[in-house]
Amino acid sequence: KAGVTQTPRYLIKTRGQQVTLSCSPISGHRSVSWYQQTPGQGLQFLFEYFSETQRNKGNFPGRFSGRQFSNSRSEMNVSTLELGDSALYLCASRIEANYGYTFGSGTRLTVV
Amino acid sequence: AQRVTQPEKLLSVFKGAPVELKCNYSYSGSPELFWYVQYSRQRLQLLLRHISRESIKGFTADLNKGETSFHLKKPFAQEEDSAMYYCALRGTGSTLTFGKGTMLLVSP
Repeated sequence: KAGVTQTPRYLIKTRGQQVTLSCSPISGHRSVSWYQQTPGQGLQFLFEYFSETQRNKGNFPGRFSGRQFSNSRSEMNVSTLELGDSALYLCASRIEANYGYTFGSGTRLTVV
Repeated sequence: AQRVTQPEKLLSVFKGAPVELKCNYSYSGSPELFWYVQYSRQRLQLLLRHISRESIKGFTADLNKGETSFHLKKPFAQEEDSAMYYCALRGTGSTLTFGKGTMLLVSP
């Protein structure tokens, strides 16, 4: 059974650009969440999607957005990139409530 | 608001010594607590859920609602336990709030 797959693994962008990250959850998992991991702030929740609907959103500016498709695959987009957006972006999926999350390996974004 | 505190950034022990990784939480309702582990160059993995009351790789954790704690314990540490450990809480909604993590180093 394939795990949570995130693409690309590494990304380098310049300030002001935008970026799209992709996440394919485990087959059958309908809930997808995104987290930002940095050395200073640790793991911070970005948003959660379930059946194409955003259920929760973390405390991030509107430059951060996401969506989920009918096949449960999810994308997150960051517009007008800032240096502080450099981080490891993690995607996690679970089959439904009351189950633990399975995390992907992440996309490491570097903004220069 | 929900908050998770892991007071130790680094915990260094010798092989065979007991280990206790501390986790305290702040949440007004009935939380669900987790421990996640991240080994070097590997993805974040679920280690324990408090509702499962299970032991994984010799680790156990008991939810103490009176002290709002969910400390992770192992009686005899092994070198392969060296990793980053994160305590997490699921409260309102279904989002996870993570602590800053504790790096466990087990020396031979």
